[in-house]
Amino acid sequence: KNQVEQSPQSLIILEGKNCTLQCNYTVSPFSNLRWYKQDTGRGPVSLTIMTFSENTKSNGRYTATLDADTKQSSLHITASQLSDSASYICVVSSSSGTYKYIFGTGTRLKVLA
Amino acid sequence: NAGVTQTPKFQVLKTGQSMTLQCAQDMNHNSMYWYRQDPGMGLRLIYYSASEGTTDKGEVPNGYNVSRLNKREFSLRLESAAPSQTSVYFCASKLTQGGQNYEQYFGPGTRLTVT
Repeated sequence: KNQVEQSPQSLIILEGKNCTLQCNYTVSPFSNLRWYKQDTGRGPVSLTIMTFSENTKSNGRYTATLDADTKQSSLHITASQLSDSASYICVVSSSSGTYKYIFGTGTRLKVLA
Repeated sequence: NAGVTQTPKFQVLKTGQSMTLQCAQDMNHNSMYWYRQDPGMGLRLIYYSASEGTTDKGEVPNGYNVSRLNKREFSLRLESAAPSQTSVYFCASKLTQGGQNYEQYFGPGTRLTVT
């Protein structure tokens, strides 16, 4: 069964600190992996997208990594800011099947001053 | 350029009532999607439309119908609302062209409560 699991479920860090969020998936055949940021009460917004051949991609202070062999991805946030407080959702796309986007349940990050 | 817009933002229904959630995009995207988001679960696909005039069921279509009115608009209808349909509903759109990995854009969501 295609699944995307994220850890931790929630995380609290102090402003200025770094953190890493994890995503493990069992989706096959794999097409691409995306990380989204979802602020409270808003829709998800794309941060990065990676295909099979890419193992790292950055978007400002956000850096995503992908290990297609172990089916793991991480999202590293550098020098966190209060505005980073949000849910971060990992989404894996399959290249076949009807339900092509499999969403993780997200990691809820809270950055404290 | 407003992106993806949804109306209403909030709605409370009684069991058995019907309503239509509206979604529009101004990015000339061909694919549009309806998802629901429930606590502790990832977004789940209700219906999608790969192009104007076509619609297909997603993972959780029971109790819903959709209409792709034109390229811009994709509506979701609840004919007889049930408490299990209490959720936050998101519309999304995407350009689908030549197998490229284009980004999916989400609307702000509609928070629906069925009592």
